[in-house]
Amino acid sequence: DIQMTQSPSTLSASVGDRVTITCRASQSIRSSLAWYQQKPGKAPNLLIYKASILESGVPSRFSGSGSGTEFSLTISSLQPDDFATYYCQQYNSYSRTFGQGTKVEIK
Amino acid sequence: QVHLVQSGAEVKKPGASVKVSCKASGYTFTSYGISWVRQAPGQGLEWMGWISAYDVNTNNAQKFQGRVTMTTDTSTSTAYMELRGLRSDDTAVYYCARDSDFHPFWGQGTLVTVSA
Repeated sequence: DIQMTQSPSTLSASVGDRVTITCRASQSIRSSLAWYQQKPGKAPNLLIYKASILESGVPSRFSGSGSGTEFSLTISSLQPDDFATYYCQQYNSYSRTFGQGTKVEIK
Repeated sequence: QVHLVQSGAEVKKPGASVKVSCKASGYTFTSYGISWVRQAPGQGLEWMGWISAYDVNTNNAQKFQGRVTMTTDTSTSTAYMELRGLRSDDTAVYYCARDSDFHPFWGQGTLVTVSA
């Protein structure tokens, strides 16, 4: 199975900060990567797919990059609504794997 | 609009089975698969497996093979996930999600509590 490793596990930041979360795959997944945001008690919300394509309705301050085994999610200017947990997910094969999550906290 | 509505919370004893349903609407059910994802309390997301609503092909995570069965009923646009041999560490919220490789639509989640 393909393993996904996110870093950091927790990130403390302030409103207006630029933040970057990284995700590493244990083998090449080309661009078969999605990013989700999850808030407590809610289902995850798709932000980005195919590594860099912004899902409809997602603010443009979110962006994704990478291919192969190294990926990143960047929030250009952190807003109060962005404090949440973020997960990457690979879908390179018929199986899928999530990263362990990155919690973005208020500094 | 797309909706996935899951069945209600369940409390089960260790060793029992649970079957969670996920009723889809707002799209052609057989055009997409359904993935099942669970989340234990305070933990991350764990992909359990996937079923094609078109040809009933399935692929389960190795961890759950032999213990999980995923099925669909195209007449009611409903997907089902049955987990057998429940243990306390199966206590989690179970989500269904429309699968187009990634998951733009999710059910509301079903809490399954396993307790003696």
